[in-house]
Amino acid sequence: GAGVSQSPSNKVTEKGKDVELRCDPISGHTALYWYRQSLGQGLEFLIYFQGNSAPDKSGLPSDRFSAERTGGSVSTLTIQRTQQEDSAVYLCASSSLSGGGEQYFGPGTRLTVT
Amino acid sequence: GEDVEQSLFLSVREGDSSVINCTYTDSSSTYLYWYKQEPGAGLQLLTYIFSNMDMKQDQRLTVLLNKKDKHLSLRIADTQTGDSAIYFCAVVTNQAGTALIFGKGTTLSVSS
Repeated sequence: GAGVSQSPSNKVTEKGKDVELRCDPISGHTALYWYRQSLGQGLEFLIYFQGNSAPDKSGLPSDRFSAERTGGSVSTLTIQRTQQEDSAVYLCASSSLSGGGEQYFGPGTRLTVT
Repeated sequence: GEDVEQSLFLSVREGDSSVINCTYTDSSSTYLYWYKQEPGAGLQLLTYIFSNMDMKQDQRLTVLLNKKDKHLSLRIADTQTGDSAIYFCAVVTNQAGTALIFGKGTTLSVSS
């Protein structure tokens, strides 16, 4: 497809369960980002992948959060032992340039932890 | 760390100009961005400006950058009801290479 895609679009899970969120970036984009958008916190950076370099995980809120990017393309964000405060929209973005560039966002995955 | 501030709400009448303001703390960002988020939709890059520019015009949009005051603004001329959305100012953070730090967003409401 032409844009960044994310799945699922909505996810409802019980507290304590693990969830996996998927992101398919725009083909050829070397940089991939995960952000979280929640009420009261706005948009927060979570993690950044650039090519084959080690990811920058400085925005991950706890060790329950992890992400990987396979083959330099698809990325999966995993949240273990979900908590209610993890409820948010998780946004993925990709870009073709380092040092900024234009980031293109996916539609997001709305995660609700009950 | 980097901080980006925006006013939360702006209400204008259709046909008027809208000006959305943003201030930031870290002046090292090479690019400064405006994103738009319509209800139920994802973030859309609206426009951006290089840090060595003072102004950028793109059709109805004018971006002004005052680096001395660390102030960025977005002016929308002839605002339409379809411009109703949340507008986010964003700068590149040094903390994580090229990740963006966003303001909390300005909700623009356009009445006819």
